[in-house]
Amino acid sequence: QVQLVESGGGVVQPGRSLRLSCAASGFTFSSYAMHWVRQAPGKGLEWVAVISYDGSKEYYADSVKGRFTISRDNSKNTLYLQTNSLRVEDTAVYYCARSILWFRDANFDYWGQGTLVTVSS
Amino acid sequence: QSALTQPASVSGSPGQSITISCTGTSSDVGSYNLVSWYQQYPGKAPKLMISEGSKGPSGVSNRFSGSKSGNTASLTISGLQAEDEAHYYCCSYAGSSTYVFGTGTKVTVL
Repeated sequence: QVQLVESGGGVVQPGRSLRLSCAASGFTFSSYAMHWVRQAPGKGLEWVAVISYDGSKEYYADSVKGRFTISRDNSKNTLYLQTNSLRVEDTAVYYCARSILWFRDANFDYWGQGTLVTVSS
Repeated sequence: QSALTQPASVSGSPGQSITISCTGTSSDVGSYNLVSWYQQYPGKAPKLMISEGSKGPSGVSNRFSGSKSGNTASLTISGLQAEDEAHYYCCSYAGSSTYVFGTGTKVTVL
């Protein structure tokens, strides 16, 4: 069955960096676009970034553009999110999710359980 | 990339029908028939309930349906059940390979 398992969250000081991972199994990872979506404590969902099936295309929300980088290693069935220059407002549970296409496809049909990033001094 | 607007809360009695609105702009909801809906229980990951505006994925109850008119999409839950009590979020394609979620709606079954 399809499984997405995030890891790499933790407590980090403002301005520091963290790399999140999402290990995929149960499907052909290299055939799907992948997204990161975050949710601040007690708040709603916020789309963060998407990467195409082959990693050649990346797109970001304005709130993270220039600070976060999405990438993937299809040989390891793993998605990454490098988060730099972290701010207190980046505190959230970060979910990975898949869709068939990276454009014109808002159908995120499988999600991981999320990993919590807390940015605090 | 402003969040789509949803009512903070909607409630209904068991067996009733409720509708949740999701209002965007001509740059997102109004431009594309690409709105999805998600159900989220506390502490859990979201679950896709409606894809491409009106269709539910395999395994999702047909009590859930979606529609769109202009810049507003809607989710209707018919035959409301206790298990439907959760948060619901809409999501729209916003052009240039970006996406935007709604503010979220808490559904309460009275």
